[in-house]
Amino acid sequence: GAVVSQHPSWVICKSGTSVKIECRSLDFQATTMFWYRQFPKQSLMLMATSNEGSKATYEQGVEKDKFLINHASLTLSTLTVTSAHPEDSSFYICSLRSSFSTDTQYFGPGTRLTVL
Amino acid sequence: AQKITQTQPGMFVQEKEAVTLDCTYDTSDQSYGLFWYKQPSSGEMIFLIYQGSYDEQNATEGRYSLNFQKARKSANLVISASQLGDSAMYFCAMREGLMGGSNYKLTFGKGTLLTVNP
Repeated sequence: GAVVSQHPSWVICKSGTSVKIECRSLDFQATTMFWYRQFPKQSLMLMATSNEGSKATYEQGVEKDKFLINHASLTLSTLTVTSAHPEDSSFYICSLRSSFSTDTQYFGPGTRLTVL
Repeated sequence: AQKITQTQPGMFVQEKEAVTLDCTYDTSDQSYGLFWYKQPSSGEMIFLIYQGSYDEQNATEGRYSLNFQKARKSANLVISASQLGDSAMYFCAMREGLMGGSNYKLTFGKGTLLTVNP
């Protein structure tokens, strides 16, 4: 069964609005959560990493004020795209890691965001 | 500089035949991990196989095997007995940083689109 869920699976919003995407771990408490963005026909690009008990670490070039990440609990992370613009339209995927001693990452099914 | 290189944008294979998807990587770390993921058109990332840098045996998982050549820094994926359902995008990825470190992350290649023909 699924280990990670994402909600919503797709969303269409108007330019200037904010969109929240949820990522939930269904089977374990996730010490680390990752958010990726994937443009059509391109690879996954890591946006940010959030570890339990600390703020998210953003990759170079990712605006932390625009992409707000909240590691709300050990089973929930949220990504909020603030003041969305059409260029933010993308596929957003989260992944979870169960502990610092494992290489295994579990990916969510992704959220397709379209900004009009 | 690109850390994961997948030189085949697209590959075609006949059903029931084997196919090799290429992946080379670049790192100066002694400890690293290599992964292959499958991404069908639905978008989900499906974990296929993993090879740790210290693993001496090539990883195998069912019809998937990873041809790990450390000196050449290559980690090719071999799919045996291809099935129509194998048609998808395949990504090679490398774990950078220590597993318990704050700089842990996965870096992905650009992917190879595999098409299995009946």
